Amino acid sequence: DTEVTQTPKHLVMGMTNKKSLKCEQHMGHRAMYWYKQKAKKPPELMFVYSYEKLSINESVPSRFSPECPNSSLLNLHLHALQPEDSALYLCASSQLDRNSYEQYFGPGTRLTVT
Amino acid sequence: GENVEQHPSTLSVQEGDSAVIKCTYSDSASNYFPWYKQELGKRPQLIIDIRSNVGEKKDQRIAVTLNKTAKHFSLHITETQPEDSAVYFCAGYPNSGGYQKVTFGTGTKLQVIP
Repeated sequence: DTEVTQTPKHLVMGMTNKKSLKCEQHMGHRAMYWYKQKAKKPPELMFVYSYEKLSINESVPSRFSPECPNSSLLNLHLHALQPEDSALYLCASSQLDRNSYEQYFGPGTRLTVT
Repeated sequence: GENVEQHPSTLSVQEGDSAVIKCTYSDSASNYFPWYKQELGKRPQLIIDIRSNVGEKKDQRIAVTLNKTAKHFSLHITETQPEDSAVYFCAGYPNSGGYQKVTFGTGTKLQVIP
């Protein structure tokens, strides 16, 4: 299985809602990532987990809260978002091996904040 | 941190012609340079990559060249086909951030005209 899956595919939420995005991989990768991608822009790194521990937080606002319950799952909890947070949220995973750098991306969750 | 510049931002070619996209990077310690293709509404997918100990790599119609001295690398697509139309992102892995932290270029929208 060389796939990263994400749910839901689309999400519409109000600014007072609480929702979660989910990501799963079964490739045995020990690094998992959250990216935010606005239209016509490159993916922008938000968080990196390695061995289920948060290793990189790119100064993301606290209304985004990541969680890595185990080595296969990655969640992104959303609370009190702003309309400018509307974007495609991509999850990715990779091995933690200097001989294997490739990141595998999930299909993304299209988030709209109203 | 690493800074990756990508040119051109848009590129239109006739079917069958070649396309070249160029990227420059700032961190001389970066040692891995992937290229991703992202079709509209889909995930980024790795199409080719190169390590810093190699000057050129080919995979059928796609090739990447790396000039470490000048700190630039290029994607070459020959005999372009309409299905090559997509946004292409180059990326660099800065040594300071470890091999997990990828910096993407700004993207090139390639249009192949039948």
